[in-house]
Amino acid sequence: GESVGLHLPTLSVQEGDNSIINCAYSNSASDYFIWYKQESGKGPQFIIDIRSNMDKRQGQRVTVLLNKTVKHLSLQIAATQPGDSAVYFCAEKGGETSGSRLTFGEGTQLTVNP
Amino acid sequence: SQTIHQWPATLVQPVGSPLSLECTVEGTSNPNLYWYRQAAGRGLQLLFYSVGIGQISSEVPQNLSASRPQDRQFILSSKKLLLSDSGFYLCAWTKKGLADNEQFFGPGTRLTVL
Repeated sequence: GESVGLHLPTLSVQEGDNSIINCAYSNSASDYFIWYKQESGKGPQFIIDIRSNMDKRQGQRVTVLLNKTVKHLSLQIAATQPGDSAVYFCAEKGGETSGSRLTFGEGTQLTVNP
Repeated sequence: SQTIHQWPATLVQPVGSPLSLECTVEGTSNPNLYWYRQAAGRGLQLLFYSVGIGQISSEVPQNLSASRPQDRQFILSSKKLLLSDSGFYLCAWTKKGLADNEQFFGPGTRLTVL
């Protein structure tokens, strides 16, 4: 369901610093967890995914960590750049019997200061 | 390569008027298709998904409906719009498969109901 909050959580970092965006998920049975980036006025773009049997996965400048014990997911962005400013969503993937639909979190607004 | 189209890009409609938003996908076949709505500063709410022609699953009760008359065409409709229908509507597609986690989003339609 939707959050009762009116504002997205925000994270402000300096250019060149590392960013860590956190997400709590609810469904222990989800097979995959995915991070999306959404720039203003655009549709979300896939960043990276991680299967539920993994703890860590690395991409280009990004790392996703999965802690199944506490149902926590994080996205780490190394050497954050102004172009990284966007809203970041985590998502859980349902099984194929449910159309492989994604359940999105509420998002975090990342602002990178030059 | 695959492409997803949505139109119109923006729409201003009076309360009580009908709605038809169209989404088409190119370069793939038999995709799963999705309609999302995003209120300002909020996350993505899944409205409908479809795993095949004529197969529609609704996620939330509302005055909207969806149809899939062709494999790569997904239409979102309403007979009478409400003020609360305002938002950013996103269509997305994904391949079928356990490890196909990337949902590809269209550019979105910004709907304002007055």
